[in-house]
This record gives sequence, C-alpha cells and structure tokens, in this order.
Amino acid sequence: EPEVTQTPSHQVTQMGQEVILRCVPISNHLYFYWYRQILGQKVEFLVSFYNNEISEKSEIFDDQFSVERPDGSNFTLKIRSTKLEDSAMYFCASIAGVTDTQYFGPGTRLTVL
Amino acid sequence: GESVGLHLPTLSVQEGDNSIINCAYSNSASDYFIWYKQESGKGPQFIIDIRSNMDKRQGQRVTVLLNKTVKHLSLQIAATQPGDSAVYFCAEGGSYIPTFGRGTSLIVHP
Repeated sequence: EPEVTQTPSHQVTQMGQEVILRCVPISNHLYFYWYRQILGQKVEFLVSFYNNEISEKSEIFDDQFSVERPDGSNFTLKIRSTKLEDSAMYFCASIAGVTDTQYFGPGTRLTVL
Repeated sequence: GESVGLHLPTLSVQEGDNSIINCAYSNSASDYFIWYKQESGKGPQFIIDIRSNMDKRQGQRVTVLLNKTVKHLSLQIAATQPGDSAVYFCAEGGSYIPTFGRGTSLIVHP
C-alpha cells in the first residue's frame, strides 16, 4: 500500500538554526499539507500546497516557515531560525484530489534546544 | 468525550466490549467530519468520515453518528480489540483542512 514517508524521524537542533523537514507524498497525489503537534496537544494545520504554490496557511505559518516542492517527489518544510516553541511533531499529508482522504506520514519529531 | 480544543480524556474498556468516543464541535456551519486514529509514534490515520447530510455512517466495526442539533458526533467501535488502543481525534474539515480536537485516549485491556 502506498504511504507518505518523512525524514528524519527525529531532528535535534540548536535554537536559531535552520532545519529542513522532508516528506515524500504518495506519488499520484496533488495536494500536500504540513501539520504540527506539540506534545500532548492537538494537531494543528500549518500550510497546504497545490500546483507549486501555497493554497492556504495558518497563523502559525509565519515568515520563519517556508515550503517547497523541489522536484517531482519531495515536499519540504523549512524553519529558518528555530525557536524553543517549534519543538513538536511535524506531520506531512497528501491527497489525490480535494475530495479525498488525507494520508499522513509518520512524522518528524523536532527538538529545539 | 471531547470537545475540539479541550482536555484529553481517557476511555478504558475490556477487550470485546463496545467503545463509544464522543466529540462536540462548535461550528454549526461545518459540513464534513472525520475520525482519525493515532497510535503512539505514528501519524493520524483516517478511520471514517461523515457529511452533514447524513446522521449515521458505518464502516468495518466502526459507526459514526452525527447529531447536528446538539453539534455532537460519536465514534462507536464494536468488539474492541487491544489493537484499537490509540488516541482518537474528531476533526471538522469543511474545506478539507481539518480542525482537530485534542483526542480521546482509548485503552483496551485484554
């Protein structure tokens, strides 16, 4: 069964450093998403991406965040200057069409020290 | 039960029992609802969805009930198994960007 994959599974970084979280969505999917989940809290939407541009973004997704689909398979989330409060699980998701179910990746645990 | 955005309750059941997980939502305009299951260390996994023009939908061992009058939905799991132990989230997803609740932790005792 096709699945969304994410790397790394765990990223530890120093405050102020840049991190790039990587996702490989399911190959025929067209819509891509990033979510985050702070430990013990709810999953929060960050951004959606379609046709090589951002469709929607939340208030969390400020100028420190960016997304990119550098090639036909990868979808990345970059945090330019990490803060302690960026520590969370980051989930990538993709769907084939706008009416379809989202498939989530296993997540990347980001720890900012 | 849970309300989108509030504390994380826990439901403990014995294997073989039926489980009912509740969720309240606040946006009366929401027209699409989803239940997700999240096992420890994994991403959310779609279980079942329902649109606001329905009040019940059944899947394999799961049933979702929607009561729009009181803005409440529930997930019923029949013959709960240890593998059902996880956190269950309801989400409102009118624009296919789901708004998640914090979830209910289901613990199944063998």
